[in-house]
Amino acid sequence: GAVVSQHPSWVICKSGTSVKIECRSLDFQATTMFWYRQFPKQSLMLMATSNEGSKATYEQGVEKDKFLINHASLTLSTLTVTSAHPEDSSFYICSARAGDRDGYTFGSGTRLTVV
Amino acid sequence: QKEVEQDPGPLSVPEGAIVSLNCTYSNSAFQYFMWYRQYSRKGPELLMYTYSSGNKEDGRFTAQVDKSSKYISLFIRDSQPSDSATYLCAMSQGGNYKLTFGKGTLLTVNP
Repeated sequence: GAVVSQHPSWVICKSGTSVKIECRSLDFQATTMFWYRQFPKQSLMLMATSNEGSKATYEQGVEKDKFLINHASLTLSTLTVTSAHPEDSSFYICSARAGDRDGYTFGSGTRLTVV
Repeated sequence: QKEVEQDPGPLSVPEGAIVSLNCTYSNSAFQYFMWYRQYSRKGPELLMYTYSSGNKEDGRFTAQVDKSSKYISLFIRDSQPSDSATYLCAMSQGGNYKLTFGKGTLLTVNP
């Protein structure tokens, strides 16, 4: 089946620094990837839609200058949290749809803790 | 009114019980309906994927979609302790449209 690999699985960073999270589709090409954020005991909230070769589309209320998304190839999308603050601490998850396969495949998630 | 409503539970059942989970939605444009299982601190895992109304069965899992009532269900037969997780319903308008999720229902199956 379709596999989406996400790294790192967890990261702790100091306030004010930047963190990059990678999302790779291992056995398929993904023209579109999605980035979600999930707070404890809450559902997944879509942050942005990442399109290969073009600018990402951000959901209302998501700061595009803070959450930089790059989708430079058909198998890799990255999310960079810039100048991270403790309130950015959350579980970040990417997903992609494997062409004509049913459903959307999710990465294993990245737990970000900003101290 | 939220686009997708799902009772967060928690729901606790004995091993072997039949579990019924459901979601309601308000956007009639939704065409694709999914159920995901999420273990703690992990990404969601696709369980069932259904297009439009109807039933779909896969092993112990059965998904039902009633578009006229804007209501979807997931049934788990012969539930196992390993089924203990959060179950999320999700839906989209199709293609590479974004998914809209329910809040998730936390299920515990007791041995």
